[in-house]
Amino acid sequence: DVKVTQSSRYLVKRTGEKVFLECVQDMDHENMFWYRQDPGLGLRLIYFSYDVKMKEKGDIPEGYSVSREKKERFSLILESASTNQTSMYLCASSPPLSGRAGTQYFGPGTRLLVL
Amino acid sequence: DAKTTQPPSMDCAEGRAANLPCNHSTISGNEYVYWYRQIHSQGPQYIIHGLKNNETNEMASLIITEDRKSSTLILPHATLRDTAVYYCIVRVANQAGTALIFGKGTTLSVSS
Repeated sequence: DVKVTQSSRYLVKRTGEKVFLECVQDMDHENMFWYRQDPGLGLRLIYFSYDVKMKEKGDIPEGYSVSREKKERFSLILESASTNQTSMYLCASSPPLSGRAGTQYFGPGTRLLVL
Repeated sequence: DAKTTQPPSMDCAEGRAANLPCNHSTISGNEYVYWYRQIHSQGPQYIIHGLKNNETNEMASLIITEDRKSSTLILPHATLRDTAVYYCIVRVANQAGTALIFGKGTTLSVSS
């Protein structure tokens, strides 16, 4: 079974703090993704990575950065947390194979509250 | 990606089959049908996908009509733990680096 783990289920931070969200997958997947999910807005892609040290901006990258130093680990960084970054953050990974490329495996999510 | 249409909600008795429909009348020849679900406060979970043949795995069966304009996800013996929002997505297979776009989905409520 594919396993995607996220460092925290719940996190409370103060405005202006630097926040690190960690994601680890154990299936040697090339592709990894960070989404945020908000009521009424669905899933929105923040960043994705298709290889170590490679990253691509998604639909809403402002205020975020990412790091992928190892294949299994993809980190999301909030440089200076703001209240509008309060959200559920979801990490996912997927294999590159045709037909399965739409198959993304998600972690349990991190619910972040910025005060 | 082709647009999908799903009923907003469905009810199912525990132990009975849950049949969740999805309409994707504008699907292209190279687009697959994927199903995911999201249980409250958890991350989405991949269920199954297919191109044109029916598919079955340990979680569910996927029936795709011959013209590929609609499909049905079947949970053969629904349990209370299957209560979730179910999403039908149509997308090209090799879009490895693109986001999944979830619509509103179908909220399935399984009751005893």
